[in-house]
Amino acid sequence: DTGVSQDPRHKITKRGQNVTFRCDPISEHNRLYWYRQTLGQGPEFLTYFQNEAQLEKSRLLSDRFSAERPKGSFSTLEIQRTEQGDSAMYLCASSRIRGGIYNEQFFGPGTRLTVL
Amino acid sequence: DQQVKQNSPSLSVQEGRISILNCDYTNSMFDYFLWYKKYPAEGPTFLISISSIKDKNEDGRFTVFLNKSAKHLSLHIVPSQPGDSAVYFCAASDDYKLSFGAGTTVTVRA
Repeated sequence: DTGVSQDPRHKITKRGQNVTFRCDPISEHNRLYWYRQTLGQGPEFLTYFQNEAQLEKSRLLSDRFSAERPKGSFSTLEIQRTEQGDSAMYLCASSRIRGGIYNEQFFGPGTRLTVL
Repeated sequence: DQQVKQNSPSLSVQEGRISILNCDYTNSMFDYFLWYKKYPAEGPTFLISISSIKDKNEDGRFTVFLNKSAKHLSLHIVPSQPGDSAVYFCAASDDYKLSFGAGTTVTVRA
């Protein structure tokens, strides 16, 4: 399977704990994105990387959130001191950008976070 | 603020008939538009896209129409099949990120 993969698929944690999610993009894709989706809404952009550089962060990404893509391959999203409002589906997507031409983003299955 | 809007939260259509999903946007800088389909407990799956320099793109049973002056796009599915029952999201981009609508749940009746 050469699609985007995410781990874990589900995470239940207690308020105040730290959690970390992993995303493995499609291998030849140089852009990687994180989105968050809550019930009844479409995905909302959080941040994106081009290769290993984090180029943009949404205002939704508070200082409790940090994302890395250390070698331009997989990425991690960490949430520190989780709050109940962090409960959502966290989606990762990747795309290949060549010559400034836009390409479609392909999504992984998501990580469902529940904060108790 | 919601820059992409899908005003119909649900659509029910009989198998074999046409499904028409609508989407409106407010940001005139958007230059690329996409439709995604989502099943429960899965990530969105890319369906079809259109660049702002075109007004129509077709791929099999799926056709997307873009009306730039009205800031409106639509997705036509013909004929509708039971496997098309899912949530459909409209998305728009002006560079890197996608802005999504809230989705339309399509139910195809046998």
